[in-house]
Amino acid sequence: DIQMTQSPSTLSASVGDRVTITCRASQSISSWLAWFQQKPGKAPKLLIYKTSSLESGVPSRFSGSGSGTEFTLTISSLQPDDFATYYCQYYNSYSRTFGQGTKVEIK
Amino acid sequence: EVQLVESGGGLVQPGGSLRLSCAASGFTFGDYAMTWVRQAPGKGLEWVSYISGGGNTKYYADSVKGRFTISRGNAYNSLYLQMNSLRAEDTAVYYCARESLTFGGLIVNWGQGTLVAVSS
Repeated sequence: DIQMTQSPSTLSASVGDRVTITCRASQSISSWLAWFQQKPGKAPKLLIYKTSSLESGVPSRFSGSGSGTEFTLTISSLQPDDFATYYCQYYNSYSRTFGQGTKVEIK
Repeated sequence: EVQLVESGGGLVQPGGSLRLSCAASGFTFGDYAMTWVRQAPGKGLEWVSYISGGGNTKYYADSVKGRFTISRGNAYNSLYLQMNSLRAEDTAVYYCARESLTFGGLIVNWGQGTLVAVSS
């Protein structure tokens, strides 16, 4: 089974900072990677799919990149609403595997 | 607007059973594959089970295989998860989710979740 590993587990940042979260797959997953944002007590929300495609309604400060085994989620200028936990997910017709999450905290 | 509303969670003793339901609206339910994802308190997301739009194909995480059964009633726009032989480690919020028509396995919509607590 493919394993997904995110780093860091926790990230402290200030409003306006550029933030990057990394997700590594244990083997190549082509571009089948999504990113979700989750706030406390709420369901996750899809941000990005197929590595770099922005879901409708998601602010353009969010972007994704990578291929194969290494992927990144970048927030170009962190906003107060962005403090949350972020999860990557490998997906295909047979597999759905999440990373362990990265919590973005206020510095 | 897509809506997914879970119900059926609660407190159950180890070894007990529980049936979760998910009422779907705002889309043609039978066209979409559905999935259950859970989240233990303070932990990350764990995919649990998948069912195809017609209900013929089902997948399970190894952690629940043989104990949980996913099903759907397309005439009723409903998704179900029958959970038997429950263990303490099954304690979690269980989310019902809709998958993409275009990309297999991509979760695009989530319910608000229902809490299952397994404890004596």
